[in-house]
Amino acid sequence: NAGVTQTPKFRILKIGQSMTLQCAQDMNHNYMYWYRQDPGMGLKLIYYSVGAGITDKGEVPNGYNVSRSTTEDFPLRLELAAPSQTSVYFCASDSGEGGNEQFFGPGTRLTVL
Amino acid sequence: GQNIDQPTEMTATEGAIVQINCTYQTSGFNGLFWYQQHAGEAPTFLSYNVLDGLEEKGRFSSFLSRSKGYSYLLLKELQMKDSASYLCAAMDSNYQLIWGAGTKLIIKP
Repeated sequence: NAGVTQTPKFRILKIGQSMTLQCAQDMNHNYMYWYRQDPGMGLKLIYYSVGAGITDKGEVPNGYNVSRSTTEDFPLRLELAAPSQTSVYFCASDSGEGGNEQFFGPGTRLTVL
Repeated sequence: GQNIDQPTEMTATEGAIVQINCTYQTSGFNGLFWYQQHAGEAPTFLSYNVLDGLEEKGRFSSFLSRSKGYSYLLLKELQMKDSASYLCAAMDSNYQLIWGAGTKLIIKP
């Protein structure tokens, strides 16, 4: 099993550009999450999904969009990138059974200049 | 509001024992997680507590007191590879994780 995979690993964007961060998992997990992690801060939930076709906002959704057309894939779209979106983005998944651990992808380091 | 507090940084000596504390305030509570995160890497799961008491897993143990909103992670026989950030996260009534900022643990020889 590859677990949770993310692409790209690194990206530099100019202000106003758009991009999609890809995330895929091969563990047949229903629940998937997008977090951002700023230096010295805890993980902040951007969006999450409890199954294909279902998505919901987390704590910091502004400036982002997601879709979940399959169980495996959960892409994150940034529209009109801003310097405040410079961060490390982690995708995670779990089986959705309360106390089960979340499995994380390796992260995408995004810089907006 | 919801809040997780843990120390920013701790230093310990190789071979010693260190305890990392975490206090939490959440809307509802469905358990407390500890994750380890090495610099530049993703978090990896260490432990989960939902009932009061101590859970031991090798060199790592985690304790929970629900009445006090308090948990700690105990690391024994410290090794240099234990140098990392340790993230405390509480699961709220919506089964979402509220994350602390992490405790950076520095191990000295």
